[in-house]
Amino acid sequence: GEQVEQRPPHLSVREGDSAVITCTYTDPNSYYFFWYKQEPGASLQLLMKVFSSTEINEGQGFTVLLNKKDKRLSLNLTAAHPGDSAAYFCAVSELNTNTGKLTFGDGTVLTVKP
Amino acid sequence: NAGVIQTPRHKVTGKGQEATLWCEPISGHSAVFWYRQTIVQGLEFLTYFRNQAPIDDSGMPKERFSAQMPNQSHSTLKIQSTQPQDSAVYLCASSLEGWGREQYFGPGTRLTVL
Repeated sequence: GEQVEQRPPHLSVREGDSAVITCTYTDPNSYYFFWYKQEPGASLQLLMKVFSSTEINEGQGFTVLLNKKDKRLSLNLTAAHPGDSAAYFCAVSELNTNTGKLTFGDGTVLTVKP
Repeated sequence: NAGVIQTPRHKVTGKGQEATLWCEPISGHSAVFWYRQTIVQGLEFLTYFRNQAPIDDSGMPKERFSAQMPNQSHSTLKIQSTQPQDSAVYLCASSLEGWGREQYFGPGTRLTVL
């Protein structure tokens, strides 16, 4: 089955710096990709869904790049602020109409220091 | 929109006792997923319902775990004879029908087995 590797497991940056989190996956049939944010004690908040290859998607304060050729997905927080401190998870949905299950990376704990 | 509702938020059981966890999906969502989150294993898929029918239970431990969706407004996850290794946060998510749809997560139930 699909395996997702997420790096780094911990990331500490100063306010205003950028923070980059990367996931690589193994199954070329993976088609939909998601980024979730989890604040301490809270549930998973959907940040973005992407599915087009080599597409840059811009959200509020972040960009997402998907490179299907390299089977790599990245989240770039462009100017991090303390409110971005949280755990971030990538998730992958395979090309299979019988299940919509997500395979998650192990997460990245981001700390943004003032 | 109240989002996905999970009850209870916290549950403590003694070893060998039964635990039942409840999930109310977002109204209109026909897909319901259960995941488990632990520090060691991360986020793991357990089971998936579509239009109340069980579609994929490939992540469910074969013994002691069962899930049902008796109507479109709630699903239950039951763990019989709970063991300390069952301690985790159990997350329920729902989505609209269709492959690749965004999954929205509930706040989770933190199960502690003493």
